[in-house]
Amino acid sequence: NAGVTQTPKFQVLKTGQSMTLQCAQDMNHEYMSWYRQDPGMGLRLIHYSVGAGITDQGEVPNGYNVSRSTTEDFPLRLLSAAPSQTSVYFCASSETGTAIYEQYFGPGTRLTVT
Amino acid sequence: RKEVEQDPGPFNVPEGATVAFNCTYSNSASQSFFWYRQDCRKEPKLLMSVYSSGNEDGRFTAQLNRASQYISLLIRDSKLSDSATYLCVVNPSGNTGKLIFGQGTTLQVKP
Repeated sequence: NAGVTQTPKFQVLKTGQSMTLQCAQDMNHEYMSWYRQDPGMGLRLIHYSVGAGITDQGEVPNGYNVSRSTTEDFPLRLLSAAPSQTSVYFCASSETGTAIYEQYFGPGTRLTVT
Repeated sequence: RKEVEQDPGPFNVPEGATVAFNCTYSNSASQSFFWYRQDCRKEPKLLMSVYSSGNEDGRFTAQLNRASQYISLLIRDSKLSDSATYLCVVNPSGNTGKLIFGQGTTLQVKP
């Protein structure tokens, strides 16, 4: 099992560019989510999904889109990158029900927007 | 006020020491509580859940005080490998998976 994988590991974008951060899991988890981590802020939930075809907003969704066409994949799209989106992005997955809180995180994508 | 607050530290302790971290949460209706561990430049991993009666896992003890709205993590006989950031995590309601993370407390265990 690869667990949760994320690509790319590092990315530099110019303001206004768009890109997609990829996330995939091979544990057949229904629940997947995206967080961003900034110094002194803790992880903040961007978007989440409880299953294929279902997504919802988290705490900080503005500037990001998601879709969930398969159980395995949950890409995060930055529509028009801004310097405020410079951060470390983590994707996570878990089973649903009471096991939903044992979230398995990917290794992260370090994004810099100039 | 942040929903989950932790002292960011760093806590610098010698090997073998006992160290305790506290975390406070603002939503009195919060349902469940967890400690995650994050090594430098790595992803967070679940360390342990926190139960109302308190729970222990080896050298680690977690306690919950609902009346005062705080959670604690006690590490006994600290090892060098315990050096990491410890994240206090709160589930505000239900089984939605929407977790609230504290900013983390950094522990450095020195020889």
